[in-house]
Amino acid sequence: SQQGEEDPQALSIQEGENATMNCSYKTSINNLQWYRQNSGRGLVHLILIRSNEREKHSGRLRVTLDTSKKSSSLLITASRAADTASYFCAVEYGNKLVFGAGTILRVKS
Amino acid sequence: EAGVTQSPTHLIKTRGQQATLRCSPISGHTSVYWYQQALGLGLQFLLWYDEGEERNRGNFPPRFSGRQFPNYSSELNVNALELEDSALYLCASSPRGDASSYEQYFGPGTRLTVT
Repeated sequence: SQQGEEDPQALSIQEGENATMNCSYKTSINNLQWYRQNSGRGLVHLILIRSNEREKHSGRLRVTLDTSKKSSSLLITASRAADTASYFCAVEYGNKLVFGAGTILRVKS
Repeated sequence: EAGVTQSPTHLIKTRGQQATLRCSPISGHTSVYWYQQALGLGLQFLLWYDEGEERNRGNFPPRFSGRQFPNYSSELNVNALELEDSALYLCASSPRGDASSYEQYFGPGTRLTVT
């Protein structure tokens, strides 16, 4: 199965609300990355958090990492319609980056 | 700075044919990665090239192959196409090897349709 698994699979919120997505993984990691994909296009890197970091911010994005629980969360605050996309976490496994199945976020205006 | 480029944007082939997809990484990046994204599914790792060498490959049959040229651009070849090869093929690049330490920059993808 996937090394990284996101939940929920889909999330629908109103503009201005916060969106939280979670990622769980199986083995120890050096770092974890989050990516966004707009409909049917290439992925855009959002944040890389290292295993010795617990929290990282980038604009309206906040990522946390709990290595004891092997989990990470991505919080998008004050969401906008333009945040509508699929969000993937990715971890290294077997000398390659393994992506989860993704969370589809829909922000309604 | 130019991003990762891929060509063609769309490719339509019939079952049994061969497809060739191309990728040009960001200038200065030596690593190129290929992923397959079938409809509604996550990304599946295909191949990783760095400095002209294949560094890793995913769980795909040998009819998926590729190469990296001296200018670090890359080509993905899919032989004996099957219907289930229909997918978005994404190429990404990063500064150098070590799959996870660097963010990957993705191209827009090539949509392959096999009929």
